[in-house]
Formats: sequence, C-alpha cells, structure tokens
Amino acid sequence: EAGVAQSPRYKIIEKRQSVAFWCNPISGHATLYWYQQILGQGPKLLIQFQNNGVVDDSQLPKDRFSAERLKGVDSTLKIQPAKLEDSAVYLCASGEGEEQFFGPGTRLTVL
Amino acid sequence: QKEVEQNSGPLSVPEGAIASLNCTYSDRGSQSFFWYRQYSGKSPELIMSIYSNGDKEDGRFTAQLNKASQYVSLLIRDSQPSDSATYLCAGGTYKYIFGTGTRLKVLA
Repeated sequence: EAGVAQSPRYKIIEKRQSVAFWCNPISGHATLYWYQQILGQGPKLLIQFQNNGVVDDSQLPKDRFSAERLKGVDSTLKIQPAKLEDSAVYLCASGEGEEQFFGPGTRLTVL
Repeated sequence: QKEVEQNSGPLSVPEGAIASLNCTYSDRGSQSFFWYRQYSGKSPELIMSIYSNGDKEDGRFTAQLNKASQYVSLLIRDSQPSDSATYLCAGGTYKYIFGTGTRLKVLA
C-alpha cells in the first residue's frame, strides 16, 4: 500500500514570497491533516479535513495560511506571504479512524 | 490549554536494557493515545496506539495507560542502537496534541 505522498520535499524562499505544498493521502483515507513541526518541537495541527470539509482549523493563521481539499482526495496548503517564523517542516497525515500516518514532509526555509 | 508533556531527554540506555519513556496529559477527557518514533530528519512513524487502561504489547514494545493518573508510558525491551530516535507521545479525542518528544540514545 502506498503511503502519504508530499511535494516538494524541500523549499527555500524569501520572506514575503508565497509557497504551496501538495499532499496525496493513502487511498481511501477520509481524514487528512496538515501539521507544522518546528525544530525541537512536536507537530502542531494546522488543519484537519474530513473528506473535503474542514473539521478543525483553529490553529491555522488564516491571515496568511490557506488550505483546500478539493474532491476529498489531494490537498494543498499555501502560505502567502511567508514570514521567517514559518521555517519548519510541514507534515501531511491521513487516517481512517483514530490512527494517523505521516508523509515524508516538506522542509521550508524562509530567508 | 490542553497539553501533553514529555521529558526532552536525552535518555541514554545501554544496548539490551529496557528503555522507559513517559508522558503526561492535561485533558482528562482524552480517549486515545499514540506513540510515534521519529528519526532525525524523518517524519513520525506510528509504533503503538492505546485506548484502554492497562498494558498493550507489540513485540519489544509495551504501551501503558493510566487514565486516573493521566499518564502514558512506552517500554522498549532489549533496546537496540537502531531504536535511537525521538519518541513522540500524542493524545486526545478526535483532535490529538503532540508532546515535544523524548530523545532516546541506545549505547552499543
């Protein structure tokens, strides 16, 4: 069974630029999560989708971050404009039930 | 503010010993708990889930949950150098909070 796919794996941008990350969940998983993991910290949930509806986006900085999951499968997370403090690994996870399975992540560096 | 707390470590154990990792949580309503292993530069990998009080064993791993005391632990028996990683505890109900992780070093 293929795992969660993410791209790109690495991205370096200047502050105030925009960036987008893509995630393809495990086939059949209804729930999709985006997390931000800053070095030395645990993952922090940004947004949770159930099919193509948002279940929780309480920690998503909505003035600069947006996410969508069209057709209930792939998802895109966008940051516009980026700030220095957005430098982190952005992890996508999917699940069916309680357990979550993570993709390889996208390491974002904002200069 | 709901929290999951872990000692950041590092926890150093000799090869072949039992490694004991602990986690406490603040939300008394939390129902589900998970242990993830994260190697440096890699994403978290689910190794154990536990939902009921007591012990759950899977190979060399045993997860323990005590809801009255609000703690979860992970025991790794016969620790190997390949077990050296950061272990993340997560808990909650429908929405899961992650701890900051405990770094484990298994010394050969």
